[in-house]
Amino acid sequence: QLQLQESGPGLVKPSETLSLTCTVADGSINNSSYFWGWIRQPPGKGPEWIGSISHSGTTYSNPSLKSRVTIFVDASENQVSLKLSSVTAADTAVYYCAKTFGVVVAWGQGTLVTVSS
Amino acid sequence: QLVLTQSPSASASLGASVKVTCTLSSGHSDYAIAWHQQQPEKGPRYLMRVNSDGSHTKGDGIPDRFSGSSSGAERYLIISNLQSEDEAEYYCQTWGSGFYVFGTGTTVTVL
Repeated sequence: QLQLQESGPGLVKPSETLSLTCTVADGSINNSSYFWGWIRQPPGKGPEWIGSISHSGTTYSNPSLKSRVTIFVDASENQVSLKLSSVTAADTAVYYCAKTFGVVVAWGQGTLVTVSS
Repeated sequence: QLVLTQSPSASASLGASVKVTCTLSSGHSDYAIAWHQQQPEKGPRYLMRVNSDGSHTKGDGIPDRFSGSSSGAERYLIISNLQSEDEAEYYCQTWGSGFYVFGTGTTVTVL
């Protein structure tokens, strides 16, 4: 069954903030064994890790994006959220939510975000 | 620096076997990795984790013809009895010190 579902706007204007939410369907967000990550894949390219967070709020981010990335968890809502500020066309990609246990062990279906005016 | 290296492509005939290789950078030969499959126009799917000792743990519903192994810094994905639906991009992935890394992907073609 589908465990991870991303949601959010499909179109964001340049210089604005991209905001996405991932809903974890099976309640495992409170399991301390897992981290919850965001990964993106620009058209025609490979996956790029954005950042990860534990249920207690410990975060790690890709150094190339760190200054623009905020990831937070709302365990009561079984949700993990991503904010990416000051977006440009280079941020156009399919954004995936992921469940990780060291390695990525589950992917959401992904949501396409286009940055355009 | 933690880097994963993959060959760009691999191919085999329908019903044959194919081996995809992922090489860990120097100093990281004891790392576990994961294999992910991405079929055309679809999102990635977790296939399995492969440990340095060659043991592997597959995801739910992954067919038996997918297996993994290791040798030194190399991690392998072996697909036996290759099917048309196995034609896809395969990525390896690992992590270290809170940083996640992906390989550049291998395109598997079924001849």
